[in-house]
Amino acid sequence: TQLLEQSPQFLSIQEGENLTVYCNSSSVFSSLQWYRQEPGEGPVLLVTVVTGGEVKKLKRLTFQFGDARKDSSLHITAAQPGDTGLYLCAGASTDNFNKFYFGSGTKLNVKP
Amino acid sequence: DAGVIQSPRHEVTEMGQEVTLRCKPISGHDYLFWYRQTMMRGLELLIYFNNNVPIDDSGMPEDRFSAKMPNASFSTLKIQPSEPRDSAVYFCASSPVVKTDTQYFGPGTRLTVL
Repeated sequence: TQLLEQSPQFLSIQEGENLTVYCNSSSVFSSLQWYRQEPGEGPVLLVTVVTGGEVKKLKRLTFQFGDARKDSSLHITAAQPGDTGLYLCAGASTDNFNKFYFGSGTKLNVKP
Repeated sequence: DAGVIQSPRHEVTEMGQEVTLRCKPISGHDYLFWYRQTMMRGLELLIYFNNNVPIDDSGMPEDRFSAKMPNASFSTLKIQPSEPRDSAVYFCASSPVVKTDTQYFGPGTRLTVL
């Protein structure tokens, strides 16, 4: 059972456009992470958010953790072809912070 | 550091055969995780170890799956007998004790069971 739902599943945009990816759950998480995965490789951690309402920025990427720690969003400003990949959110269990539940992923394609 | 190393990168086998996947974590990392990724179910945690001891194996699908970590630098995930529904990409990840929420993933092993 997927505890984390990501939307949209697929996104194809032109270079320079903005986009937002959502990660939602009915469960509370002790922390939430975002990863990017490229074909043939393992996921690479982008950010970890811990506090409800927390906002973190990584260059053109902005991550937000929901106030209730049940949801998160990833916003990309002026997307570039290098942003293409599979974006995964992962929530850490409140019972065991070493145990992460992954969302189904958003496959982003940025066309030049 | 070379990162997490997994072998083989690709494995094709026939139903009923035994499959062994291997992982070498990053040196000095105390935690090792095994995940499985499929289109239908996404990325799922199978089992994880702390200091070579299995801590949580609740994600292991059934008795056909077993994992061992005989020492700090090596772990195996074995499937016996394998079935077509086991076809997936299997990832190994490791993390240091000082920052357990930072997992470093290997490149994965793509398993195809015919």
